[in-house]
Amino acid sequence: DGGITQSPKYLFRKEGQNVTLSCEQNLNHDAMYWYRQDPGQGLRLIYYSQIVNDFQKGDIAEGYSVSREKKESFPLTVTSAQKNPTAFYLCASTLGRSNTGELFFGEGSRLTVL
Amino acid sequence: AQSVTQPDIHITVSEGASLELRCNYSYGATPYLFWYVQSPGQGLQLLLKYFSGDTLVQGIKGFEAEFKRSQSSFNLRKPSVHWSDAAEYFCASWDPYSSASKIIFGSGTRLSIRP
Repeated sequence: DGGITQSPKYLFRKEGQNVTLSCEQNLNHDAMYWYRQDPGQGLRLIYYSQIVNDFQKGDIAEGYSVSREKKESFPLTVTSAQKNPTAFYLCASTLGRSNTGELFFGEGSRLTVL
Repeated sequence: AQSVTQPDIHITVSEGASLELRCNYSYGATPYLFWYVQSPGQGLQLLLKYFSGDTLVQGIKGFEAEFKRSQSSFNLRKPSVHWSDAAEYFCASWDPYSSASKIIFGSGTRLSIRP
């Protein structure tokens, strides 16, 4: 079945460590997104990529990094520079510029900093 | 700048009662509008979407939404809620004429169902 797979579902990190969240899609979508979700704040855009080897900062990119070496994959690294990384992270994808804007989401990854 | 406002943070309704969740958008033209639902600890699922044409759109799970340009609103409705409808609901908009391709979300409305 086509879809978006995020891993791990739960992740614990010590302060000062970098962690990488995986996002893989087999929908043949061009665009991929990373959102951060905190209680009462909705979804905030971290990074997005409309095409392989290209990505743009979203509204809260500081302390995060991404890569887009393959169409199917858009990993997110939460660096030690991120001041408050404990959150629920959602990856999503769309067809791209010619699409209707409809997002397809993964099941999310919950990161907790100890 | 494009924005989406959901004025109700938390709503509780009785099972079997009707439901309306409010959404207002701020945008010069008519954006594409969406409603998503999120169960606890899960990703988001699309309920319905509006691009153009008929201002009343039908979605999955018995939901519908009405686009009102004069009020810049896109409210979600359901005639009779079920306990399984308890979840968080997000309204979103997208500017089809922007090269940035950013989708803007409201802050969400948490729906609780009273038995």
